[in-house]
Amino acid sequence: DSGVTQTPKHLITATGQRVTLRCSPRSGDLSVYWYQQSLDQGLQFLIQYYNGEERAKGNILERFSAQQFPDLHSELNLSSLELGDSALYFCASSVEDLLGAGNTIYFGEGSWLTVV
Amino acid sequence: AQKVTQAQTEISVVEKEDVTLDCVYETRDTTYYLFWYKQPPSGELVFLIRRNSFDEQNEISGRYSWNFQKSTSSFNFTITASQVVDSAVYFCAVVIGGGADGLTFGKGTHLIIQP
Repeated sequence: DSGVTQTPKHLITATGQRVTLRCSPRSGDLSVYWYQQSLDQGLQFLIQYYNGEERAKGNILERFSAQQFPDLHSELNLSSLELGDSALYFCASSVEDLLGAGNTIYFGEGSWLTVV
Repeated sequence: AQKVTQAQTEISVVEKEDVTLDCVYETRDTTYYLFWYKQPPSGELVFLIRRNSFDEQNEISGRYSWNFQKSTSSFNFTITASQVVDSAVYFCAVVIGGGADGLTFGKGTHLIIQP
């Protein structure tokens, strides 16, 4: 158990809908990251928040957004869903941002999203 | 931009054999960090090791060992006396010092350990 908690574990929704994935980082971790794992694209970095502020942005679509709340939990919002958005979405956390030495990134168990 | 190549898509060995998973990375930065993660059939990503670019010491943890060679930009992972529970997809990843691109993962190597 990495200590990173993600909900829901599985989600099935229809095209055009909107969903929210939730993540609680490990106790004491200030950084939260979101990754998408799909068969064709592999594991891709979406976005990072550090202590409530956006820190880095990867291949995140405009239809997707995220935020980190004062209690450090994070939510990833996916809207206008398409079939191609079906994937495993991971949340990860670390104590500092990636600039810090000795930083390890721990992943949650992921949220399986199926768009039908 | 950085890149990670795991040329072995799938490896199948019989239990108790030793197996090495290859990882070759590309980056222009002199400061970077290398990682290995394990993804068992259940789907979670399990952290195995992190290595700094300025520390080329090899590491051993039980049956697992890692060989980091900057000269060949490789960070290979060896499992000694493999077990069925080692069956999983293994990912190598790199992050450059700035961290703006997050972790860049390879495509993964699917390791199958047959009893």
